[in-house]
This record gives sequence, C-alpha cells and structure tokens, in this order.
Amino acid sequence: GENVEQHPSTLSVQEGDSAVIKCTYSDSASNYFPWYKQELGKRPQLIIDIRSNVGEKKDQRIAVTLNKTAKHFSLHITETQPEDSAVYFCAVAPGGYQKVTFGTGTKLQVIP
Amino acid sequence: NAGVTQTPKFQVLKTGQSMTLQCAQDMNHEYMSWYRQDPGMGLRLIHYSVGAGITDQGEVPNGYNVSRSTTEDFPLRLLSAAPSQTSVYFCASSLRGTGSHEQFFGPGTRLTVL
Repeated sequence: GENVEQHPSTLSVQEGDSAVIKCTYSDSASNYFPWYKQELGKRPQLIIDIRSNVGEKKDQRIAVTLNKTAKHFSLHITETQPEDSAVYFCAVAPGGYQKVTFGTGTKLQVIP
Repeated sequence: NAGVTQTPKFQVLKTGQSMTLQCAQDMNHEYMSWYRQDPGMGLRLIHYSVGAGITDQGEVPNGYNVSRSTTEDFPLRLLSAAPSQTSVYFCASSLRGTGSHEQFFGPGTRLTVL
C-alpha cells in the first residue's frame, strides 16, 4: 500500500518567518495531494490541494509544490502568524480519490 | 446543511463490549471514510465506502465492521472492544467525480476502552 512520510514532526518559527513541511510518498500512481490543518481539539480542514498535472499552487500565504519524479511535495507558509499554530497533515490519494493516506503530522508553533 | 455529524462525542467502554459509532452527512457525498487518530500516528484509514452497498478495508480494519445501506449514513461497529482501540475516531465524506475532492470531517468521537 501507499506509504507517506512527513517531516519534521515539530517546527517552531518566529512570527513573520516562513515554514516548510515536506512529505514523500511511495506509489507512483498517486495523483492527488491535499494538505489539512487541525487546530487543537478540532477536526482537520483542507487548506490547499494539488493534482499531479500541476507543479505548484498558491493561495495567499500558502503554497504547495510537487515533484512527481522524486515523489515528494511540500507545504510553504510565508509570513507566519500565531493563528497558523496547528498540526498540519499531508495526504496522498490515487486517481479515484477514494482512498486517502495521511502523513503523521507536523506540529507548527509560531512564536509571537 | 449540518455537514458531517458524529455521535456520540465521548464514550467509555469496558474490554469486550460492543458499540456503534454513528456518522451521517447531508451533502449527498458518494465517498465516506472512517479514520482513527492516535498521537504521533496521524490519521489512519479504517474502512471506506464509494457508495451505498460498497465498502472496503483501509489500513487498520481489524476489530471494526462497517455497512453503507444509504448514501447518508456510514456506521462503524466495534465488535469486541480492546484497550488498543482507545482513540479519536473521525468520519469524513467527499464527492466523486472531477470536481473538488476535499474531505469534510465530522467533529470526532473520543473513545476510551478500559
């Protein structure tokens, strides 16, 4: 089955700095790569996603890059704010999108 | 729309007891999934369904059963609870097709097995 590795497990940055979280996957047939944010005690929520026919996608301060050849993708958060503090999960899904495999999560702490 | 709802929010069981976690969605989503979340292990897929009458196993299916008799409901049954099943359980749903594949999660059920 699919194997997703996510690094780092914890990340502390100063407010205003950038944060980068990286994920690798094993199944070359995977073609959908979402990122979810989970605040303490709450449910995960989608923040950005990318499909395999796109190399990069941006949404305001958040961007995701994908390297299908190397089988890795990354989340970039610029100008971090305290409200960005949360656990972030990468995920991978095959062409049918029905079976999603998640990474183990990155706890991001933004220090004011 | 209520989105994805789960009941109960909290549950304590004794080893060997059985119970059903309820999940319902009112967005007419074809796909539904059950995950368990344990510290440091992310979200692990238990079972999923691509439509009414169709279910399949995920990464950690042992000890759990599911059924999907309607599009709206996807209950998860614990047959004989074990302490290793202490976890937070999330149900999620998403659309099939070429549009958005965002998974919408329920609020979760925190289960403790003593």
